[in-house]
Amino acid sequence: GAGVSQSPSNKVTEKGKDVELRCDPISGHTALYWYRQSLGQGLEFLIYFQGNSAPDKSGLPSDRFSAERTGGSVSTLTIQRTQQEDSAVYLCASSFEVTGHTGELFFGEGSRLTVL
Amino acid sequence: AQKVTQAQTEISVVEKEDVTLDCVYETRDTTYYLFWYKQPPSGELVFLIRRNSFDEQNEISGRYSWNFQKSTSSFNFTITASQVVDSAVYFCALSEAGSARQLTFGSGTQLTVLP
Repeated sequence: GAGVSQSPSNKVTEKGKDVELRCDPISGHTALYWYRQSLGQGLEFLIYFQGNSAPDKSGLPSDRFSAERTGGSVSTLTIQRTQQEDSAVYLCASSFEVTGHTGELFFGEGSRLTVL
Repeated sequence: AQKVTQAQTEISVVEKEDVTLDCVYETRDTTYYLFWYKQPPSGELVFLIRRNSFDEQNEISGRYSWNFQKSTSSFNFTITASQVVDSAVYFCALSEAGSARQLTFGSGTQLTVLP
């Protein structure tokens, strides 16, 4: 597709289970971001990938969270041993980023995670 | 540290009214970028504008206009003659040149335009 694609759009899971969220960025975009949006809150930065560089993981809230980006394209965000406070919408964005210059981010529609 | 404040949590206006969404930012960098994004009910954030810190010229795009004032660290967004389709959550965001990879978002303003 032409835009950023995320799956699943909705995920309900039980506390303690692991979940995987997928992001398929726009073809050719070198930068990929994960953000978290809790109810009524702004967007919280989680992790950033740029090309083959080491990812910026500074926003990950705990070691239960991890992400990878395979082949410079698709990314998977994994949350292990989910907790109720992990419930949020997880947004993925991609951009064609020039070094040192934040380009326009294109967002997906998000994956809504509910932890019971 | 960078910070973005959108003090208006919710705004309701009647169609055709003008409305201004406020954004105040904090940064220690002299080079930075400011953004506005729109999040309609569908959930997908839509990019509206990006300004760099060296360009204080106000911008107009159709019914949208932006007022960037470094003296007050503000980047306000005005919608003229609002329409029902403008109803959405609007986010202001800041990126410092030194950490251009991270956008810091404000908490958003829910705009409701009533018919």
